[in-house]
Amino acid sequence: ETGVTQSPTHLIKTRGQQVTLRCSSQSGHNTVSWYQQALGQGPQFIFQYYREEENGRGNFPPRFSGLQFPNYSSELNVNALELDDSALYLCASSPGGVAGNTIYFGEGSWLTVV
Amino acid sequence: DQQVKQNSPSLSVQEGRISILNCDYTNSMFDYFLWYKKYPAEGPTFLISISSIKDKNEDGRFTVFLNKSAKHLSLHIVPSQPGDSAVYFCAASDGGGATNKLIFGTGTLLAVQP
Repeated sequence: ETGVTQSPTHLIKTRGQQVTLRCSSQSGHNTVSWYQQALGQGPQFIFQYYREEENGRGNFPPRFSGLQFPNYSSELNVNALELDDSALYLCASSPGGVAGNTIYFGEGSWLTVV
Repeated sequence: DQQVKQNSPSLSVQEGRISILNCDYTNSMFDYFLWYKKYPAEGPTFLISISSIKDKNEDGRFTVFLNKSAKHLSLHIVPSQPGDSAVYFCAASDGGGATNKLIFGTGTLLAVQP
C-alpha cells in the first residue's frame, strides 16, 4: 500500500478519442510523475509536476498533457489516441523535487485503444 | 538508446538459494539507483536504493552492489523465497535539478521455485 491511488483501473477507448487519467498522491507529497509502461518494457517517463508546475518532460508528443491541482493530485490527458498508446499508465509521487527521494507508484491505469 | 539495461529477461532460482539480478547503465551522470519489484496487475513497489557515493546498501535479505567503474549494479536476494517471484526493475536518476525522472530497464522476471 503506497498511498498513491489511480483511476480508472481499466478503460477501453477508440482511436482518435481523448482520455483523462487521475492520480491522488501520497499525503505530504508535492511531486507527481507519470510513466507509460508498454507490454514487455520498463516504465517510460512522460512528465513530472512539482507544486502545480510542469518540471521535466520525457520524449512524448504534446498530445500528452497534464495538470496538478493545489491538493497535489494530478491528471494525465491524452488527445487523439493512437493504437500505440495502449499501455499501463503509472503515477508516482515523491515528497520533494530533489532527486534521491524515494518515489512511490500507484497501481496504474490500463488503457486499451482499439 | 537504452541507458539502463537488464540483459536477463528471466531468472529461475531454488528457494533458499541466492538470486542475483544484474543491471548495466551507460550514463555516467546517474547518481542514484533504485530497484523496484512488480507483481502482475500492481504498480512497481520500491525495494532498495543506493547513492553513487556508496558501493553497497543492505536491507534485510536484499543487498544492492554498485560498481561505478563498470557502470554495473546488482541486487542480491538471500535467501530467496517463493514470494519474491515477480518482475524486478532497475532504475536510475541523474539528479538533474529538481526532477526525479527515473530511467528504467526492461525488467527481469524472477521465479523462485519451492
